[in-house]
Amino acid sequence: ETGVTQTPRHLVMGMTNKKSLKCEQHLGHNAMYWYKQSAKKPLELMFVYNFKEQTENNSVPSRFSPECPNSSHLFLHLHTLQPEDSALYLCASSSGVRWFFGPGTRLTVL
Amino acid sequence: QQQVKQSPQSLIVQKGGISIINCAYENTAFDYFPWYQQFPGKGPALLIAIRPDVSEKKEGRFTISFNKSAKQFSLHIMDSQPGDSATYFCAARYNTDKLIFGTGTRLQVFP
Repeated sequence: ETGVTQTPRHLVMGMTNKKSLKCEQHLGHNAMYWYKQSAKKPLELMFVYNFKEQTENNSVPSRFSPECPNSSHLFLHLHTLQPEDSALYLCASSSGVRWFFGPGTRLTVL
Repeated sequence: QQQVKQSPQSLIVQKGGISIINCAYENTAFDYFPWYQQFPGKGPALLIAIRPDVSEKKEGRFTISFNKSAKQFSLHIMDSQPGDSATYFCAARYNTDKLIFGTGTRLQVFP
């Protein structure tokens, strides 16, 4: 295991649902990230938090709302998603040189 | 430009052969170039990395070759094994805490 855990591992939701993805890291890192991985596309950087402050929002639609209550936890709140949002959502943490990824949440939007 | 171009999309190699994956970039502000390996159902895991002031780095069967003037770098896997079958991503770091990825190469090694 990498020291980065994500829950749930799989999520199926309708377009009108509200759900949240959770990420936790036990590595003492100060930076945490959300990436989106879709088929035939590069991993897309969505959000960056450094010392709990958001330092990057890579033009992500407002239906994705991140939250970082402390350096060990990161959430991604989802509401009114579209079918094209179906993807693997990966959380990562870093010490600045090494990025450690969680196993991801496989999200399906119906 | 915050982009890393990776090729090929897929690669089939026989056991014992050499696998070569190439990446190119434009942004000279990138300061760290890692390669990640991803198996199905898992997140990407760091394989090997290089800084732009070094032309080559070797760790076991894995070697990164870096050409700063051409803005290209490549991953060589020597003596490829079936267990190396995975998707490989090159990546590049900028602004200390931003890491962007290439499109990935699916490697299949046949016995």
